Amino acid sequence: NAGVTQTPKFQVLKTGQSMTLQCAQDMNHEYMSWYRQDPGMGLRLIHYSVGAGITDQGEVPNGYNVSRSTTEDFPLRLLSAAPSQTSVYFCASSYGSRTSNSPLHFGNGTRLTVT
Amino acid sequence: RKEVEQDPGPFNVPEGATVAFNCTYSNSASQSFFWYRQDCRKEPKLLMSVYSSGNEDGRFTAQLNRASQYISLLIRDSKLSDSATYLCVVKRVGTASKLTFGTGTRLQVTL
Repeated sequence: NAGVTQTPKFQVLKTGQSMTLQCAQDMNHEYMSWYRQDPGMGLRLIHYSVGAGITDQGEVPNGYNVSRSTTEDFPLRLLSAAPSQTSVYFCASSYGSRTSNSPLHFGNGTRLTVT
Repeated sequence: RKEVEQDPGPFNVPEGATVAFNCTYSNSASQSFFWYRQDCRKEPKLLMSVYSSGNEDGRFTAQLNRASQYISLLIRDSKLSDSATYLCVVKRVGTASKLTFGTGTRLQVTL
């Protein structure tokens, strides 16, 4: 029972490089999301998806792209990394729908540093 | 004003003490409420949901006050292992499960 799997755990990028953070869940969750966590800011929603083929922007979407081609996978792409994107990134999923109280299950996080 | 506000702490308490955290939310349309626990450099994990009538899970009690728009978490008989950051989380109606997280309250339980 893997739950939510994120890779890589750590990454260092140079400004302008692109990369994809991988997220997979094996719980058949409809809802998947990406958060970033910065000191003093709490967790902020980047993008989310309520099902395969559907994505939407969260609170801080600029500089990031997502896709949801399958129920299991929800990769986050950094198009051109900037130092402001240095953060800890968490993928999370749930059975959630508009009325659901289903809690979020988080991956272990990716620590990204952009130099 | 932030949508969800918490006292960042830290709350330093001796083992065995009772400690309480409050969290206020600004949007009266908020529907669901949770407390998550986050250990240093780890992912958040659900501690408990918060129900309108209040609910208890062992040493932990959660309360919701809709009129004053706050939720609380009470921890009785604190253990060293309770040391963590406690995140208040709120979901609004019709937001497709988008959750808004507070910045967290840090608890340090000492001998």
